[in-house]
Amino acid sequence: GENVEQHPSTLSVQEGDSAVIKCTYSDSASNYFPWYKQELGKRPQLIIDIRSNVGEKKDQRIAVTLNKTAKHFSLHITETQPEDSAVYFCAASWGGTYKYIFGTGTRLKVLA
Amino acid sequence: GAVVSQHPSWVICKSGTSVKIECRSLDFQATTMFWYRQFPKQSLMLMATSNEGSKATYEQGVEKDKFLINHASLTLSTLTVTSAHPEDSSFYICSATPGQGTGANVLTFGAGSRLTVL
Repeated sequence: GENVEQHPSTLSVQEGDSAVIKCTYSDSASNYFPWYKQELGKRPQLIIDIRSNVGEKKDQRIAVTLNKTAKHFSLHITETQPEDSAVYFCAASWGGTYKYIFGTGTRLKVLA
Repeated sequence: GAVVSQHPSWVICKSGTSVKIECRSLDFQATTMFWYRQFPKQSLMLMATSNEGSKATYEQGVEKDKFLINHASLTLSTLTVTSAHPEDSSFYICSATPGQGTGANVLTFGAGSRLTVL
């Protein structure tokens, strides 16, 4: 079945620096890749997503890149701020199932 | 935007009792809802896909007789943890997608239900 790997599991950066989180997926039929941010004890919130017909998408300080050939996608956060500290999950979905498989999560700490 | 309501947000029960968790899509109809389980500091593990008007589809390793799912309407799915035991203590989160229109496959999550079985 589909498998999504995510790295690193933890990431600490200084405020203002950039953070990059990487995910790889196994099923080449995957065509939708969202990223979720989850703060402690709260629900995951969608922060950005990308579809398989696009290589890159940007929304202010957040960007996502997709390499379909290599089956990996990455989240880039620039000019990090303390409020960016949270757990970030990547996910892969395919076809019309809307079924998501999540990565293992990355705990990001932005140090002031 | 799409809103998913989940209730209760936390519940404590005695071992052997059953607990029901409700998941409602408030401003859209959800043919399909999903139930996830999350252990502390771990990822979201898909338990089952809840299909309106039909039986749920369970992921491998999830006991369908223990985790009963009912999707009686386009806006409500329920998860019942039967004969709960301490190892069932976890954070259960539901999610739903409009399935059509803009954001058709964007998953919106409920706030989660923290179950503690004594």
